[in-house]
Amino acid sequence: KNEVEQSPQNLTAQEGEFITINCSYSVGISALHWLQQHPGGGIVSLFMLSSGKKKHGRLIATINIQEKHSSLHITASHPRDSAVYICAVPNYGGATNKLIFGTGTLLAVQP
Amino acid sequence: GAGVSQSPSNKVTEKGKDVELRCDPISGHTALYWYRQSLGQGLEFLIYFQGNSAPDKSGLPSDRFSAERTGGSVSTLTIQRTQQEDSAVYLCASSLDGPWGNSPLHFGNGTRLTVT
Repeated sequence: KNEVEQSPQNLTAQEGEFITINCSYSVGISALHWLQQHPGGGIVSLFMLSSGKKKHGRLIATINIQEKHSSLHITASHPRDSAVYICAVPNYGGATNKLIFGTGTLLAVQP
Repeated sequence: GAGVSQSPSNKVTEKGKDVELRCDPISGHTALYWYRQSLGQGLEFLIYFQGNSAPDKSGLPSDRFSAERTGGSVSTLTIQRTQQEDSAVYLCASSLDGPWGNSPLHFGNGTRLTVT
């Protein structure tokens, strides 16, 4: 079992729809990162959160530390939101200090 | 610039040659990470620096890979005797503190390495 799991792996939505991407993890963490990668493009850090909720424009990220679960929501989705969304957590319990990445969710928003 | 800078942006090399990839992190960022992403694959951790030391080299795929960081700033990733399976985008990221901190990651645009 992967230490960080995302769902769904692929998501197709119509423009304007409300989108939710989920991330579950099994390690203890201090913070969780949500990243965005456009096709052929660089990686952008969207959020880093350790509790509660953060909002930036149409993007909202929530985290429940007790349940070891985070969600990324996109309101009023737009084709330019099409990208791979990745969650990442520090390897808190291990001997190494690295980020563990989810496999990513490929989002396609159709006009 | 204010962001993480990587060079070159593209590198084509012949199998067996050595290559050096450079990462210039954001000034003041103590943590620096190297990842790679092969075509259609997720991000693969390579190495992590805290200051000039590398507490975690566990991701380096073979002894052909090495990395150093000097002055707590610039880092170079060296691949010796390149193989075709080394072809990937090599990404560098930095943050103000280490993985246990609460600082966001800042990624460079990557170096696309193609080994022919």
